[in-house]
Amino acid sequence: GENVEQHPSTLSVQEGDSAVIKCTYSDSASNYFPWYKQELGKRPQLIIDIRSNVGEKKDQRIAVTLNKTAKHFSLHITETQPEDSAVYFCAAMCALTFGKGTMLLVSP
Amino acid sequence: DAGVTQSPTHLIKTRGQQVTLRCSPKSGHDTVSWYQQALGQGPQFIFQYYEEEERQRGNFPDRFSGHQFPNYSSELNVNALLLGDSALYLCASSSTGPVRELFFGEGSRLTVL
Repeated sequence: GENVEQHPSTLSVQEGDSAVIKCTYSDSASNYFPWYKQELGKRPQLIIDIRSNVGEKKDQRIAVTLNKTAKHFSLHITETQPEDSAVYFCAAMCALTFGKGTMLLVSP
Repeated sequence: DAGVTQSPTHLIKTRGQQVTLRCSPKSGHDTVSWYQQALGQGPQFIFQYYEEEERQRGNFPDRFSGHQFPNYSSELNVNALLLGDSALYLCASSSTGPVRELFFGEGSRLTVL
């Protein structure tokens, strides 16, 4: 089955800095890669996703890049704000296989 | 739109007991997936139901079973509970077709003593 590795497990940045979270996957057949944000005690919520026919996708301060050859994809958050603090999960389709999560801490 | 609703929100069981968790998908969704999220971990896929049948299954023992009803709602059953089954159980719904976004419920927090 699919195996998703996510790094780092914890990321601390200063407000206004950029944050990058990286994931690798094992199944070359995977073609859908969503990112979820989970605030403490809340449900995971989709923040951005990318499909295998696209190399990059951007939505305001959030962007995702995909390298199918290397089987890795990354989440980029620019101009981080304290409300970005949460656990972020990457995932790969078919049945979503999640990484173990990255705790992002944004200090004001 | 109520989104994905799950019940109960919290429950406590003892080892060896059985539990049933319930999920109503988001309006317009016909596919339900169940995930187990242990503390500090990412959600682990249990299984997915579509057209009242289990379509995909993750690496979980047969003690974990499910059901989907004609109205697309779903149940997750766990028999012979173990301490290690303590976790947040998340239900996620989606619709068939090219859009694959999963909408998660708030989860059912199961504690096994």
